[in-house]
Amino acid sequence: DGGITQSPKYLFRKEGQNVTLSCEQNLNHDAMYWYRQDPGQGLRLIYYSQIVNDFQKGDIAEGYSVSREKKESFPLTVTSAQKNPTAFYLCASSTPREAFFGQGTRLTVV
Amino acid sequence: AQSVTQPDIHITVSEGASLELRCNYSYGATPYLFWYVQSPGQGLQLLLKYFSGDTLVQGIKGFEAEFKRSQSSFNLRKPSVHWSDAAEYFCAGGYNKLIFGAGTRLAVHP
Repeated sequence: DGGITQSPKYLFRKEGQNVTLSCEQNLNHDAMYWYRQDPGQGLRLIYYSQIVNDFQKGDIAEGYSVSREKKESFPLTVTSAQKNPTAFYLCASSTPREAFFGQGTRLTVV
Repeated sequence: AQSVTQPDIHITVSEGASLELRCNYSYGATPYLFWYVQSPGQGLQLLLKYFSGDTLVQGIKGFEAEFKRSQSSFNLRKPSVHWSDAAEYFCAGGYNKLIFGAGTRLAVHP
């Protein structure tokens, strides 16, 4: 089945550690996105990529990094510079007319 | 700046009552517009989308939305709400990247 896979579903890390969230899609979409979701704030765009080996910052890119070495994969690294990393992270891929979302990763930093 | 606004953070309706969730957008031209629904801890499911043409759009689960250019609005409606419709609803718009509103949490009373 085609879709987007985010792993893991739940992730715990100690403060000061970098952590990488996985996002893989087999929909052959060029565009991929990372969003952060906090209660009452909707989805805020962290990074997006419209083609392999290219990506752009979204509205809240500070403390995050991404790579797009393959069309299928768009991993997000939450670095120790991110001041408040505990959140629900959603990955998406899209055609020009529709976005498809993964099931999300809930990251808790303690 | 491009933006999508959902004025209502929480809405409560009785089962069987009609529903309207508001969405306003601010773009240079009419963007692609979407409504998504999210159950707790899950990803987003597309309800409906508007690109051009007929301003009344039908979606899944009995939802519809009407695009009104003069009001820069894309409100979501359902004539009779079911208890299973309780969820969070997001309006989104964009061209090469999707921008989301803050979401409206819908509660349904029996």
